[in-house]
Amino acid sequence: GIQVEQSPPDLILQEGANSTLRCNFSDSVNNLQWFHQNPWGQLINLFYIPSGTKQNGRLSATTVATERYSLLYISSSQTTDSGVYFCAANFGNEKLTFGTGTRLTIIP
Amino acid sequence: ETGVTQSPTHLIKTRGQQVTLRCSSQSGHNTVSWYQQALGQGPQFIFQYYREEENGRGNFPPRFSGLQFPNYSSELNVNALELDDSALYLCASSASERETQYFGPGTRLLVL
Repeated sequence: GIQVEQSPPDLILQEGANSTLRCNFSDSVNNLQWFHQNPWGQLINLFYIPSGTKQNGRLSATTVATERYSLLYISSSQTTDSGVYFCAANFGNEKLTFGTGTRLTIIP
Repeated sequence: ETGVTQSPTHLIKTRGQQVTLRCSSQSGHNTVSWYQQALGQGPQFIFQYYREEENGRGNFPPRFSGLQFPNYSSELNVNALELDDSALYLCASSASERETQYFGPGTRLLVL
């Protein structure tokens, strides 16, 4: 079946460090999104990025659709970056499929 | 512009009861999707409504049902609640079925 896999599952970093989160998907995507889920459960849109590269402040994302992966970069991390990061993709006529998430903890 | 809102924020029910969760979509959005997120997992797609019609359903039993109103707000109904239905229920709206989805804050349901 369709799969969206994220790595690493957990990441603990010191404040100020940089990080790279990876999302692998098993088929061609129509849509790929990155979300940050805060400790209260709110899913916040970060990027809509079926292909190419986008940047928003300290965050950037790159999707290489032909190789079926996407990367989320966080630079100069802050404690407020802590939470769970999800990628989610649409495949063909299927609805949004979420990955298993990466739990990021930033230590002051 | 008002974002996606959900009510109630928290709910406690007992096995066998029925529950209705509500979602108001973002202004200008005609598509609402519902997701169930169990503890420690990613959200799982339940179903989507587009212009008041069901437009896709995930692997959930028929006791999960919903509807969308003319103003594009939506309800999720769950009958005969089971302990495993305890989860965070998320609603998302979008301008169409393939556009970016924006999520509400969720409803935390606990079934005892």
